[in-house]
Amino acid sequence: KQEVTQIPAALSVPEGENLVLNCSFTDSAIYNLQWFRQDPGKGLTSLLLIQSSQREQTSGRLNASLDKSSGRSTLYIAASQPGDSATYLCAVNSGYSTLTFGKGTMLLVSP
Amino acid sequence: DAGVIQSPRHEVTEMGQEVTLRCKPISGHNSLFWYRQTMMRGLELLIYFNNNVPIDDSGMPEDRFSAKMPNASFSTLKIQPSEPRDSAVYFCASSLYGGSGGGSSYNEQFFGPGTRLTVL
Repeated sequence: KQEVTQIPAALSVPEGENLVLNCSFTDSAIYNLQWFRQDPGKGLTSLLLIQSSQREQTSGRLNASLDKSSGRSTLYIAASQPGDSATYLCAVNSGYSTLTFGKGTMLLVSP
Repeated sequence: DAGVIQSPRHEVTEMGQEVTLRCKPISGHNSLFWYRQTMMRGLELLIYFNNNVPIDDSGMPEDRFSAKMPNASFSTLKIQPSEPRDSAVYFCASSLYGGSGGGSSYNEQFFGPGTRLTVL
């Protein structure tokens, strides 16, 4: 059974810092990996999707990498802003499009 | 596109009552998912439809839960009878399932705003 772990569970940084969120998964036979953002009381917003054949994806200040063999993914946020404060969720697709989610990293960026 | 639409956004009911949650997926998507989110267990997949057919319902907690997808643009999740432990946020998501091929957008899941259910 696929298990997804996210470290750290919470992170607090001052505005402007670059930061890395980590995601690990136990079964490397994945189809793709998706990073989401969730604001308090809101739904999930898809940030980046990395297919199993890809090593990284970039969108603006966000860069996600995937090392399938080691079961790891990282989400890099450059020049963090207070508006980046949210919970970031990593989800692994192990087949038939079903996602297994980590518990998330709660990020707080202070001005 | 309006995105995935869910209703109601909030539902408060008493134990034993029937609850029906509704979802309209993104037009053109062929896969639909129901998830439940709680503080203790995080996000869990309840059931997954492909082309309106239930593919995997192993996450449905018990017989009190049922889900239907009568057509490509509508799905319901029903709880009967509801219990306090069912209190959670229920999300619906949709995607375009492209199998092993396709571009980078294949299989990307898009979530609705969720329904916050409170069972008293």
